[in-house]
Amino acid sequence: GAGVSQSPSNKVTEKGKDVELRCDPISGHTALYWYRQRLGQGLEFLIYFQGNSAPDKSGLPSDRFSAERTGESVSTLTIQRTQQEDSAVYLCASSLDPGVNTIYFGEGSWLTVV
Amino acid sequence: QQQVKQSPQSLIVQKGGISIINCAYENTAFDYFPWYQQFPGKGPALLIAIRPDVSEKKEGRFTISFNKSAKQFSLHIMDSQPGDSATYFCAARDTGNQFYFGTGTSLTVIP
Repeated sequence: GAGVSQSPSNKVTEKGKDVELRCDPISGHTALYWYRQRLGQGLEFLIYFQGNSAPDKSGLPSDRFSAERTGESVSTLTIQRTQQEDSAVYLCASSLDPGVNTIYFGEGSWLTVV
Repeated sequence: QQQVKQSPQSLIVQKGGISIINCAYENTAFDYFPWYQQFPGKGPALLIAIRPDVSEKKEGRFTISFNKSAKQFSLHIMDSQPGDSATYFCAARDTGNQFYFGTGTSLTVIP
């Protein structure tokens, strides 16, 4: 497809379990961002990948959160030992060149921790 | 610390009216200011954007007004329609290509 693709679209998990969320950016987009959006809230920055540079991890809320990106393609956000406060929509966005262009969002992965 | 402050949190407008959403920022290094529209269950979608070297940008019924000296920018939706009912986010980009988002405005346009 032409847009940012995220999977799964919905995930319900038990507290304490690990989850992996996947993002396929738009083809050719070198920059990739992860954001978290709690219900009715704004967008909270998590992590930013730009090409082969070291990622900006300054937004990760705890060491239970990590993310990887394979080259300039797929990224995986991993949340270990999930807690109820991790329940949110996790949004991925990509950009051809964020210094020039805007970022384009996927539809998000809705995570519910029960 | 909220880098971009957005108001109001919610807005109700009659069909045909003008919707106005305001944002303010402090970092003078911000160089790009997009607005995003988000419908329930969907990701934010780019609506319109402006750079700080212009004071206004219009695309159809949507206009951004930008006041560089006041460090404020606003979204105006003319002739608001029920289909415009959504959450709107302003954003600002810094020189490190980091995007900062406002907290969102929930717009309801009543017929």
